[in-house]
Amino acid sequence: AQTVTQSQPEMSVQEAETVTLSCTYDTSENNYYLFWYKQPPSRQMILVIRQEAYKQQNATENRFSVNFQKAAKSFSLKISDSQLGDTAMYFCAFLLYGGSQGNLIFGKGTKLSVKP
Amino acid sequence: SAVISQKPSRDICQRGTSLTIQCQVDSQVTMMFWYRQQPGQSLTLIATANQGSEATYESGFVIDKFPISRPNLTFSTLTVSNMSPEDSSIYLCSVEGMGRDGYTFGSGTRLTVV
Repeated sequence: AQTVTQSQPEMSVQEAETVTLSCTYDTSENNYYLFWYKQPPSRQMILVIRQEAYKQQNATENRFSVNFQKAAKSFSLKISDSQLGDTAMYFCAFLLYGGSQGNLIFGKGTKLSVKP
Repeated sequence: SAVISQKPSRDICQRGTSLTIQCQVDSQVTMMFWYRQQPGQSLTLIATANQGSEATYESGFVIDKFPISRPNLTFSTLTVSNMSPEDSSIYLCSVEGMGRDGYTFGSGTRLTVV
């Protein structure tokens, strides 16, 4: 069975600075997707960034980038130029490619606070 | 990606009563998923709802407590039955995207049972 671990329950960062959120996962499969979701106080789950396991190149979406280390089963999220609106819970998630269950496996989340 | 309308957004309910949560999707989807997020916790999958068949429940969740309907490819409901304070959570529905698109989530229902 797959597991996702986020070892940082809470983090804080000053506005405009850079912060990295950690995520590790465990799987014996080779083809999968990894995601970072953001959940602000509004409760809406918002997809931040995604990574296909077969791609060696790290995904980037504007101020958000990942460091994907497949051998180490690590998938960290870097937020550059942090903004107050980045304050939220961040969840790392795993999805098997073509899995019959078709459901996401979430980590426990990291609460990020961006301070002015 | 799909757009999901979920309601109610929040409710406060008396113990022993039931609440039905609705999710409407703007496109046809094969599978819909229902999650529970207990206070300060991550999301836990309750069940997968396929149109035209019984929902598939995860370990620890049963149909009598969380009956699900899936009358067509754009709509689903989750009922939380005979509620107790332990059922106070956020409930979210979601649909699967096209692989790398990940999942789209409804805005969630914050349920408080008193």
